[in-house]
Amino acid sequence: AQTVTQSQPEMSVQEAETVTLSCTYDTSESDYYLFWYKQPPSRQMILVIRQEAYKQQNATENRFSVNFQKAAKSFSLKISDSQLGDAAMYFCAYRSERGSEKLVFGKGTKLTVNP
Amino acid sequence: DAGVIQSPRHEVTEMGQEVTLRCKPISGHNSLFWYRQTMMRGLELLIYFNNNVPIDDSGMPEDRFSAKMPNASFSTLKIQPSEPRDSAVYFCASSLTRVRSEKLFFGSGTQLSVL
Repeated sequence: AQTVTQSQPEMSVQEAETVTLSCTYDTSESDYYLFWYKQPPSRQMILVIRQEAYKQQNATENRFSVNFQKAAKSFSLKISDSQLGDAAMYFCAYRSERGSEKLVFGKGTKLTVNP
Repeated sequence: DAGVIQSPRHEVTEMGQEVTLRCKPISGHNSLFWYRQTMMRGLELLIYFNNNVPIDDSGMPEDRFSAKMPNASFSTLKIQPSEPRDSAVYFCASSLTRVRSEKLFFGSGTQLSVL
């Protein structure tokens, strides 16, 4: 079974600075997808960024980018120019291409942005 | 599209009572997922359906929990009898099976408190 590990329960960053959230996963599959979701206090689950395992190029979405290391099974999220609105829980998630279609989540990292 | 609709948003009940959570997936989506979120365990998959058929219910905690999907536009998660340890946020999500790269679309969740 696949597992996702987020080793940082909490992180903090100064406004306008850069922060990196870590995520590692365990799988024997070669084809899969990785996601970062943001959950603000409103409870809404918001997709931040996604990565296809077959793509070597790291995904980017405006201030958000990932460092995807397939061999190391690592998928970190970098937030540049942090804003107060980035404060939230961040979840890393794995989805198989051919096996179970469920999303497997890490336990999350709580990000605080200090003004 | 209104997105995934869950009701109620909040539910407070007493131990031993029956609780029913409801979900309407996005029209056209054929996969539906029920997740439970707690501080201790994070986001756990309880059960998921594909084309209204339960595919994986290995996450259902015990016989007190049951889920149904009588048609493509409605699902329920029932807890009978409820216990204080069932207190959590319950999310419903939907997606298209054939598009694994797409995100899961989450509802706004039901905050359940069992006293």
